This record gives sequence, structure tokens and C-alpha cells, in this order.
Amino acid sequence: GNSVTQMEGPVTLSEEAFLTINCTYTATGYPSLFWYVQYPGEGLQLLLKATKADDKGSNKGFEATYRKETTSFHLEKGSVQVSDSAVYFCALGLYSSASKIIFGSGTRLSIRP
Amino acid sequence: EAGVAQSPRYKIIEKRQSVAFWCNPISGHATLYWYQQILGQGPKLLIQFQNNGVVDDSQLPKDRFSAERLKGVDSTLKIQPAKLEDSAVYLCASSSTKSGNTIYFGEGSWLTVV
Repeated sequence: GNSVTQMEGPVTLSEEAFLTINCTYTATGYPSLFWYVQYPGEGLQLLLKATKADDKGSNKGFEATYRKETTSFHLEKGSVQVSDSAVYFCALGLYSSASKIIFGSGTRLSIRP
Repeated sequence: EAGVAQSPRYKIIEKRQSVAFWCNPISGHATLYWYQQILGQGPKLLIQFQNNGVVDDSQLPKDRFSAERLKGVDSTLKIQPAKLEDSAVYLCASSSTKSGNTIYFGEGSWLTVV
């Protein structure tokens, strides 16, 4: 079946540290891959996406590369800020007659000043 | 462009009562989704509409949950009767092939059943 497995949290880092949140997937066909972010008290926001193998999605200093050979889409940021504290969800999108998206369980990130 | 609108934002009800949530998707988006997000978990798809037809409702607890999208635009999700385990955020989302199939979410309706 189709599924997403991501690194369990919580993850706590100091400001300006390097961030990696691991995500691997299982899917039939050729999914698109996403990272969504959920700030406290808010809804889900699309952070970045990649639609095919070797694509790199990037936004707000975050990056993730679609690796088909390792079925991974790890999220990285070179220098995190306190404002990056949130829950991050890896997801895969499947497209037939309509879009369907399947989420991982989320990783809570806390950044210390 | 206006985003996905949901109401109410917050609702507290007693178990066995009923509740309804409303969603207005982004204009022109044919696909509408309702997700349930329990605290500490990822969102789980409850039901997906394509225009006014149901595409997937395999994870909808049909004995107590119902949803409709009568005119293919806005949608209502109802729970009757509610159970304690229904406490969650109910997220509405929409997508369109014209927007590259990216799914956009509303801010959610937070339900607490006591």
C-alpha cells in the first residue's frame, strides 16, 4: 500500500543549528512529495513540494530532494530560527482521476533561542 | 485569491450531541477533502469529493459521520451522535488540476467532545 514514515519527534535544536527531518515513503506509481508545516493553532500550510525524481523543492530556507532510489524526501535547513518551531508533515500525493494525499504522523520541532 | 474557509473554528459539545462543520473551498476547485487530525497524529482522510460526487469515503465512520456537497461547491460534515474519541481538528481542503493538484487546507475546525 501507500504510506509515509517520518522521523519521530519531538526534535529540539538550538537556534542556527542544522536541521534534518527524515521521511521515507512507499507508493505505487509515481507520486509527488510534499512537506507541510503546522504552526501552533493554525492549519496546514504547504512548505515545499517535488513532483518527480531528483527534483528539489525549496522554500523559506528549507530544502528536500526527491530520491527515488532510496524512496526518501528528507527535509533540511542550514540554520534554524525560533520561528521555525512547528509540526512538520511529510506527505505523498497520488493522482488518478483526482488528487489524493497521504500524510506521515508529523514531527514536532522546537527551537531554543 | 481567497483560501479555504471553514466554520466554526472551535466547538465544544457533550457526547451524544450532534455537530456540523461547513467548508467553502477555493473558487474553481473541483476536489474537496475532509480530514480528521487527532492530537499528535497526522491528518486522516475521511471523505473526498470530485464536484458533487464522492470519490473516497472508505475511512468515514458512516454510522455517525455524514458529509455532502450538494451543488459541487461548499460542503458540510456532520457528526451525530458524537463520541469522546471524535475530539479532533477537522480540516477541509481543496485542489484543482489547474493549480497543479496541490492541496490547500483551511485553518480547521477544532472539536472537543466532553
